[in-house]
Amino acid sequence: AQSVTQLGSHVSVSEGALVLLRCNYSSSVPPYLFWYVQYPNQGLQLLLKYTSAATLVKGINGFEAEFKKSETSFHLTKPSAHMSDAAEYFCAGSGGGNKLTFGTGTQLKVEL
Amino acid sequence: EAGVTQFPSHSVIEKGQTVTLRCDPISGHDNLYWYRRVMGKEIKFLLHFVKESKQDESGMPNNRFLAERTGGTYSTLKVQPAELEDSGVYFCASSQEGLAGRNEQFFGPGTRLTVL
Repeated sequence: AQSVTQLGSHVSVSEGALVLLRCNYSSSVPPYLFWYVQYPNQGLQLLLKYTSAATLVKGINGFEAEFKKSETSFHLTKPSAHMSDAAEYFCAGSGGGNKLTFGTGTQLKVEL
Repeated sequence: EAGVTQFPSHSVIEKGQTVTLRCDPISGHDNLYWYRRVMGKEIKFLLHFVKESKQDESGMPNNRFLAERTGGTYSTLKVQPAELEDSGVYFCASSQEGLAGRNEQFFGPGTRLTVL
């Protein structure tokens, strides 16, 4: 069975600082992994996905994530935070079936 | 192109009442999913339709929940009778047919259900 763990329910960074949101997965099969973002009063929007091609995945809005099998991790990073990045971020995985298994979400706050 | 839409955006009902949530997927998407997020917890899968057929309903909490997708277009999720623990945000998502698990699921804005 697939499970996804996000470390840190709240992360606060200064504008211009590195953003690092952590995600670890456990799965008995090679996973497909996703990062979604939810802005207030909107649906979840896909940032990026890993589907067993390149291990470094680039997404929208300057975000990227690296799949590390040895660490069972898929952390999300952005070199320089912007105020508009404040939102809730979800890591999710699917183990070959269609349903997504989500982490508990990380609320990102960006301060001036 | 219109995204996934959900109606209503908010619903407040009394315990024991019935509520029906509606989801309109992106046109042409055969796969339709329902998820739920209870406050403070993770988003959890409820069920998956392929066209009008239930492919996986392993996440449905109990028989008070009934999902339908007549004609393979929009879907409804009925809760009858509603209980306090049913409160949460109900998300609908859709995706194209294709390799299972790797296709992007497009999410609607959710319906926030409050049971008093």
